[in-house]
Amino acid sequence: QSVLTQPPSVSAAPGQKVTISCSGSSSNIGINYVSWYQQLPGTAPKLLIYENNKRPSGIPDRFSGSKSGTSATLGITGLQTGDEADYYCGTWDTSLSVVIFGGGTKLTVL
Amino acid sequence: QVQLVESGGGVVQPGRSLRLSCAASGFTFSSYGMIWVRQAPGKGLEWVAIIWYDGSNKYYAESVKGRFTISRDNSKNTLYLQMNSLRAEDTAIYYCATVRGPNGSYWYFDLWGRGTLVTVSS
Repeated sequence: QSVLTQPPSVSAAPGQKVTISCSGSSSNIGINYVSWYQQLPGTAPKLLIYENNKRPSGIPDRFSGSKSGTSATLGITGLQTGDEADYYCGTWDTSLSVVIFGGGTKLTVL
Repeated sequence: QVQLVESGGGVVQPGRSLRLSCAASGFTFSSYGMIWVRQAPGKGLEWVAIIWYDGSNKYYAESVKGRFTISRDNSKNTLYLQMNSLRAEDTAIYYCATVRGPNGSYWYFDLWGRGTLVTVSS
């Protein structure tokens, strides 16, 4: 069981918007930055969002991130079938001195 | 070309050892911390170990502490993971990635290799 809690799955229709939540605690998300990763089937993870809401070069602005208290959220607008993937949040836990990832959320674009 | 390439995976018996390598190219390897992350079949991402850019500090997941050792050779642009006393539950794809950010609070991982599969089975 992951220290960071994500919904196992979310789904939405093409063109719609979806949000994926990541719930943590005061020793991780509450005081540290959150990053998000996309893992397409059969491939390595790819950085989508860092420092809560910043996008690396080449990541479209359809992807956004936010943080409030001990939770973070990934938003994806204008859903495309190519967005079907597993999405993971990650951060540092200061009390445990460990890197932690959420359990992952499988996005299905219906 | 900016890339990370893992190697050294394979099938190994429980209790035996294996050393993974991660070869970096196209960027200044010695300027970046590095991380190993693994993914068991059908499961999520699990952090394994992290090392500072100069090798001065290392952290390990509790599940591998005392069995795995992360190291690097900046003259060879290569990261290593020495895995001893392997168990069936260590079976996973092992990815290396670059670490960005000045400290743990900011860390994120922006360049990933394709991974190497380690299977622990008798």
